[in-house]
Amino acid sequence: TQLLEQSPQFLSIQEGENLTVYCNSSSVFSSLQWYRQEPGEGPVLLVTVVTGGEVKKLKRLTFQFGDARKDSSLHITAAQPGDTGLYLCAATPNQAGTALIFGKGTTLSVSS
Amino acid sequence: ETGVTQTPRHLVMGMTNKKSLKCEQHLGHNAMYWYKQSAKKPLELMFVYNFKEQTENNSVPSRFSPECPNSSHLFLHLHTLQPEDSALYLCASSQEDLRIIGGPDPGELFFGEGSRLTVL
Repeated sequence: TQLLEQSPQFLSIQEGENLTVYCNSSSVFSSLQWYRQEPGEGPVLLVTVVTGGEVKKLKRLTFQFGDARKDSSLHITAAQPGDTGLYLCAATPNQAGTALIFGKGTTLSVSS
Repeated sequence: ETGVTQTPRHLVMGMTNKKSLKCEQHLGHNAMYWYKQSAKKPLELMFVYNFKEQTENNSVPSRFSPECPNSSHLFLHLHTLQPEDSALYLCASSQEDLRIIGGPDPGELFFGEGSRLTVL
């Protein structure tokens, strides 16, 4: 069974702090996505990474795909209350015809 | 309306009730999905429809019955549910079935806001 382990499970920080959340697996994936789910909403795609070692930036968010395509990190610089939400990683297994696998998510709370 | 809309947003039902969840997408997508989101668990894929045809039934109990009358509408009929079925049920759509797209880019899931179900 392929699993995506996300850490930490919960994170509560003050506005302006930096943070990093992780998504790890023992399996190799062809691509990995990060979604953010705000309270009372459905998940929304933030980024897709497909190449080992790839780094993508989205304003204050920096996403990295591990060299071996088994893990990923999301770094937020100067967090704001609007960053509050559940961050989900989702990965596409190398096997054809397999559905996306989701992690349990990291719940982030940013207070002002 | 745009995107993926789900109704009702909240539903409380007894174990003997019959109710339905509705999902509608205005994106012109060909694939639609039902996911179950429970606390402390990963999103669980329940059903996939591709061009109105069911292509995945992920060992879901028969008390959940999906219906896809056309590529824009998806229903989840509920009957004789159990308290452990209480969860957020998310509908999603994608341009094509993500499992058969091929290539490195998996495509994108567009989610609705979810229907919060409580079974008493």
